[in-house]
Amino acid sequence: QQPVQSPQAVILREGEDAVINCSSSKALYSVHWYRQKHGEAPVFLMILLKGGEQKGHEKISASFNEKKQQSSLYLTASQLSYSGTYFCGPQNAGGTSYGKLTFGQGTILTVHP
Amino acid sequence: NAGVTQTPKFQVLKTGQSMTLQCAQDMNHNSMYWYRQDPGMGLRLIYYSASEGTTDKGEVPNGYNVSRLNKREFSLRLESAAPSQTSVYFCASRPGTGRAQPQHFGDGTRLSIL
Repeated sequence: QQPVQSPQAVILREGEDAVINCSSSKALYSVHWYRQKHGEAPVFLMILLKGGEQKGHEKISASFNEKKQQSSLYLTASQLSYSGTYFCGPQNAGGTSYGKLTFGQGTILTVHP
Repeated sequence: NAGVTQTPKFQVLKTGQSMTLQCAQDMNHNSMYWYRQDPGMGLRLIYYSASEGTTDKGEVPNGYNVSRLNKREFSLRLESAAPSQTSVYFCASRPGTGRAQPQHFGDGTRLSIL
């Protein structure tokens, strides 16, 4: 079952902030975040791990709420290069879901000058 | 720095034709995945292979088969193509199924079925 992302789309001006949310119906083991530019492949942004540890390489932050089975991506002081579609990919804990990475429907972020 | 290579990049088929999409990775990854991407639907998992010798169904496996040929290669086959299978197909790989291991995607195959 796909996780649910909100909002579906957001339009910003350079320098503004945005939050993208991701909710899963199953217990989370980790949450992956990816960004896709138009016509290109998705590119890894970061991984949030159960227990709060974060692995990534961009100046974008995120949070992971185990109780609510949610993750949020925070983009602050947005730049033009942040434009694209953002996908969350929760990895669910245990059972037949192990190893499977199922993505949300995506959030389209557009940053204008 | 090839990473994940998909072939072909574009293909047009007629309804009922068969086709195999190829995917190869040179990163010595254990796990490989096939997704399809349709407007408004995000990335939907078709099949995955957690390790060489194993394959499992994802969310939308109907109409597809896969083969994990060896550690490097994971192919996706459409036995009898249907217009509903028109989509962009992405192959991805990751070192393993551990929670802290990111996926690396190929550039995609754009498939149209008439």
